[in-house]
Order: sequence, then C-alpha cells, then structure tokens
Amino acid sequence: AQKITQTQPGMFVQEKEAVTLDCTYDTSDPSYGLFWYKQPSSGEMIFLIYQGSYDQQNATEGRYSLNFQKARKSANLVISASQLGDSAMYFCAMWHLGGGFKTIFGAGTRLFVKA
Amino acid sequence: NAGVTQTPKFQVLKTGQSMTLQCAQDMNHNSMYWYRQDPGMGLRLIYYSASEGTTDKGEVPNGYNVSRLNKREFSLRLESAAPSQTSVYFCASSEPGQGKGEQFFGPGTRLTVL
Repeated sequence: AQKITQTQPGMFVQEKEAVTLDCTYDTSDPSYGLFWYKQPSSGEMIFLIYQGSYDQQNATEGRYSLNFQKARKSANLVISASQLGDSAMYFCAMWHLGGGFKTIFGAGTRLFVKA
Repeated sequence: NAGVTQTPKFQVLKTGQSMTLQCAQDMNHNSMYWYRQDPGMGLRLIYYSASEGTTDKGEVPNGYNVSRLNKREFSLRLESAAPSQTSVYFCASSEPGQGKGEQFFGPGTRLTVL
C-alpha cells in the first residue's frame, strides 16, 4: 500500500532562517510523483513543488527546494529565508502510476514563522 | 478562467438528510478528485475519476457516491448524512502527464451535520 508520513505536527522557525519539513513515502511502484502543497489559514490549497521519481536533480522553485533521497524514500521540503507569510500547513502528497494517478496526502506539518 | 469551482461554500444538514456537492473545472483536465479534510488533519481521498466515464474509490468512500457528469463536472452525494461526515470537502482536478501534473483545488465546502 502507498503511504505518506509527515512526522512533525508543528515546527517553529525564525524569520529569514531556513527550515526543513520532513516527508517519507512508501511505494513499490518505480513510477511516482511527489508534491508539496501549502494551506494558509484561509484554507486554499497552493501547489509549491513537484519531484518525479526519475528526475535526476532535486526540484527547486524559488525559495522552495525538494531534498529527494530515493534510497531512503524521503522527499523533504526546504524553505530558505523564511517569511512571516510562510506560516501555514504544509502537505506532502504522492501519486503512483499503478494507481492511475490517484494522489494521497500526508497528515501535514504546521509551520510557525517567528518575527 | 475560474479554475475549480465548488458549490455550496457552506452547508448545515440534519442527520439523515441528503445533499449533493457540485464541482466544475474549466481547465479541460481529465482527472478529478474529492477529498475530505477533518480539523487538524490532512486530506483523505473519497473518490476520484481518472477520466470522463470512470470513477474509483479512494481511502474513505463509505457513505458517499459520485457522478462524473461530463469532463467538466464531478459531483459528490451524501445519501444519508451522519455527524461523522462533518468536514471540509475539497474538489480538485489535474492533468497527469501535462506539466507537473499538480492538482488544482476548489475553495472547499464546509459541511456540518447535526
């Protein structure tokens, strides 16, 4: 069975510092994709970054980067230079080819950025 | 482009009542999804539709039915609402294989079952 695990219910970071949010996944399918989404207190879901299982390099999108360690089955999100507006829930998600692109989500990590 | 729209935004039901949550997307996506999000939790997949004419169960399908009416619309029906179905419901769509294949979400429906 496919599974996403986020073990940090809450994280604190000082403004302008970097923070890493952990995500581990479990799948036996060699073809899969990993996503990170942000959910501010207003409730909408915002796509941040994507990593495909065959991508050779770690994905980056502005201040967001994905530390993809395939052998360890981890896909941690790194936010550099944290801003107050980064305070939100962050969800890791995964689809796998054998599942018809059905996407499952982790339980999320709430990030608090301190001024 | 409106993206993904959901109606209603809020709904209060009594136990045993039925209702249908509507979802529509204008991005010509093949795949559509229904999730529920309970307080402080992640999203759990209820049903999804990989393409028009197909639907499949997700992690928590019990108590729900879906209809993929056409490529644009994907509705979720609660036949006999229960308090355990109090949640925020999100509809999403995506086009796997196009770009990053990320999901685009609607604004959510906040449902309370008394």
